[in-house]
Amino acid sequence: GAVVSQHPSWVICKSGTSVKIECRSLDFQATTMFWYRQFPKQSLMLMATSNEGSKATYEQGVEKDKFLINHASLTLSTLTVTSAHPEDSSFYICSACPSGFNEQFFGPGTRLTVL
Amino acid sequence: AQSVSQHNHHVILSEAASLELGCNYSYGGTVNLFWYVQYPGQHLQLLLKYFSGDPLVKGIKGFEAEFIKSKFSFNLRKPSVQWSDTAEYFCAVTSKAAGNKLTFGGGTRVLVKP
Repeated sequence: GAVVSQHPSWVICKSGTSVKIECRSLDFQATTMFWYRQFPKQSLMLMATSNEGSKATYEQGVEKDKFLINHASLTLSTLTVTSAHPEDSSFYICSACPSGFNEQFFGPGTRLTVL
Repeated sequence: AQSVSQHNHHVILSEAASLELGCNYSYGGTVNLFWYVQYPGQHLQLLLKYFSGDPLVKGIKGFEAEFIKSKFSFNLRKPSVQWSDTAEYFCAVTSKAAGNKLTFGGGTRVLVKP
């Protein structure tokens, strides 16, 4: 149980385009999902907390207009990188917290490369 | 605010050697502590976690960690490593006060030589 999937697993796009990444909890409901970014050889940095039915909470320094988060259902959160630039190239990882649990389950990540 | 520091950035050791990775956190309240492993090209996997109770926690693949509250530490140990333990290891802390947000340490890259 407690499986989290991400789609796509990797994406290459041109500078200036927008990219949407999906995070799904496959066998549980998650009122809260988290989005992280991991640069090469670095740790995971929390970008935002996604709450079902309400606005996401962004960490300091993360542009909310650039990284649009939508958590429309209890099993799906999406991260859209708008007007992507090469410096946005990174590994984006989501996690989901089953309702009533205080443990996060991680997705496999999405590697974004912006040319 | 909570924070986590991992003392070693890189560790190289031979098979059958013992491994200990340091992790210290800073937060005065009640915390939940985790160790995650990330094998090359793979996603994060939970090794073990501490919420309460016995401070010596046993996880998967022969790993264990000890929560020492007085030292704000949660060091990871394995008595005898294998080549397949080559990976990056992350310590993380969360707390109810922080809305269950995970704060990760910088990670320790472990290379086990055959």
